[in-house]
Amino acid sequence: QVQLQESGPGLVQSSETLSLTCSVSGDSISGSYWSWIRQPPGQGLEWIGFIYYNGNADITYNPSLKSRVIISVDTSKNQFSLKVTSVTAADTAVYYCARDSAHYMDAWGKGTTVTVSS
Amino acid sequence: DIQMTQSPSSLTTSVGDSVTITCRASQNVRSYLNWYQQKPGEAPRLLISAASSLQRGVPSRFSGSGSGTEFTLTIISLQPEDIATYYCQQSYNTPRTFGQGTKLAI
Repeated sequence: QVQLQESGPGLVQSSETLSLTCSVSGDSISGSYWSWIRQPPGQGLEWIGFIYYNGNADITYNPSLKSRVIISVDTSKNQFSLKVTSVTAADTAVYYCARDSAHYMDAWGKGTTVTVSS
Repeated sequence: DIQMTQSPSSLTTSVGDSVTITCRASQNVRSYLNWYQQKPGEAPRLLISAASSLQRGVPSRFSGSGSGTEFTLTIISLQPEDIATYYCQQSYNTPRTFGQGTKLAI
């Protein structure tokens, strides 16, 4: 059974870069889509983007964040990562990673809270 | 972007009631519509994919229907453990977009 686990700093200074990693077990990173989603406190879900790797990385970002987001994959560790640059208080959220299987997100990490501090 | 609009945004209900949540898409998403359940402090859980396909392990009191731009999630005989926020999400194209959520309360 696939399991995902987010990791990274819980506190990031304003204007700096948020970096998170999602470790995947029970499934190979290669050959599936892997998404990042975030949820600001008390608000709904926002899809950040996903990556598909099968020798080459195919990445799609949400245009609302595209200029500040980088998603990458490390197949040797079966992990994928998220970087958000120039963060502000609006980037404070719970960040989730998820497997995107054939048009639905069927496995999610538990989420990690990131607070942007000024 | 495809806008997803859920109604109602919140609903006060009782154990044993039947509940229907509606999700409308701003354009045709065919059957690329998923429903998730999220309990406080937890990650979302996929309940229904492709508008009506119940995920393994999800109780049969949950059902989904619709296509195109209008979809419904129905819960028959609501149980206490069904108290949660429910989100629809389109996967017809990117960016993937979610409805604003429907919060159930007793």
